[in-house]
Amino acid sequence: AQTVTQSQPEMSVQEAETVTLSCTYDTSESDYYLFWYKQPPSRQMILVIRQEAYKQQNATENRFSVNFQKAAKSFSLKISDSQLGDAAMYFCAWRDQGGSEKLVFGKGTKLTVNP
Amino acid sequence: DAGVIQSPRHEVTEMGQEVTLRCKPISGHDYLFWYRQTMMRGLELLIYFNNNVPIDDSGMPEDRFSAKMPNASFSTLKIQPSEPRDSAVYFCASSYWGQGGQPQHFGDGTRLSIL
Repeated sequence: AQTVTQSQPEMSVQEAETVTLSCTYDTSESDYYLFWYKQPPSRQMILVIRQEAYKQQNATENRFSVNFQKAAKSFSLKISDSQLGDAAMYFCAWRDQGGSEKLVFGKGTKLTVNP
Repeated sequence: DAGVIQSPRHEVTEMGQEVTLRCKPISGHDYLFWYRQTMMRGLELLIYFNNNVPIDDSGMPEDRFSAKMPNASFSTLKIQPSEPRDSAVYFCASSYWGQGGQPQHFGDGTRLSIL
């Protein structure tokens, strides 16, 4: 079964600094999608960024970018110029491309942004 | 566009009572998902539908849980009888099939407390 591991239960960063959140996954599939979701204290699950495994180029969304290493099965999220509003739980998720629509989530990383 | 709408936002009830959670997916989306979030187990997929048909219900804990999708704009998750261990946040999400791995859009969740 596919698994997603986020090895950092908690991280902290100073406002305006850069932080990287780690995610590794285990799968025998070759085609899949990866996602990062943000869950602020309001409880909403908000899509941050997504990556298609067949694309070598790393996805970028404004201050958010990923480092996708397919061979290493690694999918880290980099947040640049951190803002107070970035404080949240961040979840990494995996989904098969050709089969089930099921998202497999990691346990999450709680990010604190210090002023 | 309106997002995924869930009701109620909070539900507190006594053990043994029937609980019904409701979800309205985003118009035009043909997939609907029910997730449960707890501290111990994280985010787990309970069931998902495609075009109103249940596709994967392997995550449904036991017979006390049931989910229906009578039409494209409404779904329910029912627990009968409820138990304290069912206390969790329940999320509904929707998506549509499309190239590039369309993300799931989540509702605000229902926080369920069983006393």
